[in-house]
Amino acid sequence: GAVVSQHPSRVICKSGTSVKIECRSLDFQATTMFWYRQFPKQSLMLMATSNEGSKATYEQGVEKDKFLINHASLTLSTLTVTSAHPEDSSFYICSASGGTDQETQYFGPGTRLLVL
Amino acid sequence: AQKVTQAQTEISVVEKEDVTLDCVYETRDTTYYLFWYKQPPSGELVFLIRRNSFDEQNEISGRYSWNFQKSTSSFNFTITASQVVDSAVYFCALSERAGANNLFFGTGTRLTVIP
Repeated sequence: GAVVSQHPSRVICKSGTSVKIECRSLDFQATTMFWYRQFPKQSLMLMATSNEGSKATYEQGVEKDKFLINHASLTLSTLTVTSAHPEDSSFYICSASGGTDQETQYFGPGTRLLVL
Repeated sequence: AQKVTQAQTEISVVEKEDVTLDCVYETRDTTYYLFWYKQPPSGELVFLIRRNSFDEQNEISGRYSWNFQKSTSSFNFTITASQVVDSAVYFCALSERAGANNLFFGTGTRLTVIP
């Protein structure tokens, strides 16, 4: 149980385009979903927290207009990197909590974004 | 303020050796949760264990064991008889209050098990 998927696993795009990353909880209803960013050989940095049906809460320094988060259902959250630039290249990981285990975040496999 | 410190940046051991990964935390809350996650080269974070602040009982799961000591604010992780598949980055994390919110991660320890 507690499986989280992410799609795509890897994406390469041109500078200026937008990229959408999907995060799904496959076998539980995720009350809350989280989006993290991880640079090479560094720890995870929380970008935002989202609850189903409400606006995401962004961490300080994260541009909400740049990183659009939609948590439309209890099993799906999307992160859209708008007008991507090379500095947005990173590893993006989502996590979800909910179901019978409200205390633990279960992570997806991550998405490697490369902006050329 | 909350903080998680993993002082060991990288550790290398020879296969079958035991290894302990250290984690020290800081928090002002009396209710909190501690976690260990494993991140293999594929990138996915694998949940290993959660401990709440009221449960200091040590836990063993196969070759993995965890030592929670509130007196020293530590939550160390030991792998016995290490295997090559244990090679990964291990993160210790802290969550304050109930609910899986505000997960503060340590900087991670990269473990390399040499065959």
